Amino acid sequence: DAGITQSPRYKITETGRQVTLMCHQTWSHSYMFWYRQDLGHGLRLIYYSAAADITDKGEVPDGYVVSRSKTENFPLTLESATRSQTSVYFCASSESTRGWTTEAFFGQGTRLTVV
Amino acid sequence: AQTVTQSQPEMSVQEAETVTLSCTYDTSESNYYLFWYKQPPSRQMILVIRQEAYKQQNATENRFSVNFQKAAKSFSLKISDSQLGDTAMYFCAFMSGANSKLTFGKGITLSVRP
Repeated sequence: DAGITQSPRYKITETGRQVTLMCHQTWSHSYMFWYRQDLGHGLRLIYYSAAADITDKGEVPDGYVVSRSKTENFPLTLESATRSQTSVYFCASSESTRGWTTEAFFGQGTRLTVV
Repeated sequence: AQTVTQSQPEMSVQEAETVTLSCTYDTSESNYYLFWYKQPPSRQMILVIRQEAYKQQNATENRFSVNFQKAAKSFSLKISDSQLGDTAMYFCAFMSGANSKLTFGKGITLSVRP
């Protein structure tokens, strides 16, 4: 199916465990983003990527790791999960070419609970 | 760094009436894009409307229109003829024209009363 998909949709994990959230897009968009959504904070940028093998920190990168070996995939890893990382995580993608930029297209979100 | 401010956490409007959601932003860039996204209870992020900074004309999409004041760095969303399905959280967002970095405001919860 065309679009951007996240997996899993829901995840419960224990404190200290490593967790990877997956994001896959079929448009070959250059830009990809990871956000976390928390009540009272809106969506805060964790990491973003301008192309394969190019990533940069956002507003709240601590405790997270990303990679982008292929254009279509942008996994987010919590190296050692903490309760403060309980949140809803959104992946998004967009394209920018010849002076035109698309809006960001979002996945369905992943609700992560760290117990 | 860009910032986006939505100062109203909640608003309520009667069905069929008009409501305006406020947003201000701060940037030193001249080329950028502004968006309003809607997030219903399903959690899906849905684009409502977009505005290119280089365009003076305010964007409109059916019942949705914006008031873009570039000098004042203001980007408000007007919803006309409000419908029950408009009940959702609305986010204002800024996208840099230089690096496509997308920054969101904290959002506003809109309730449409029958």
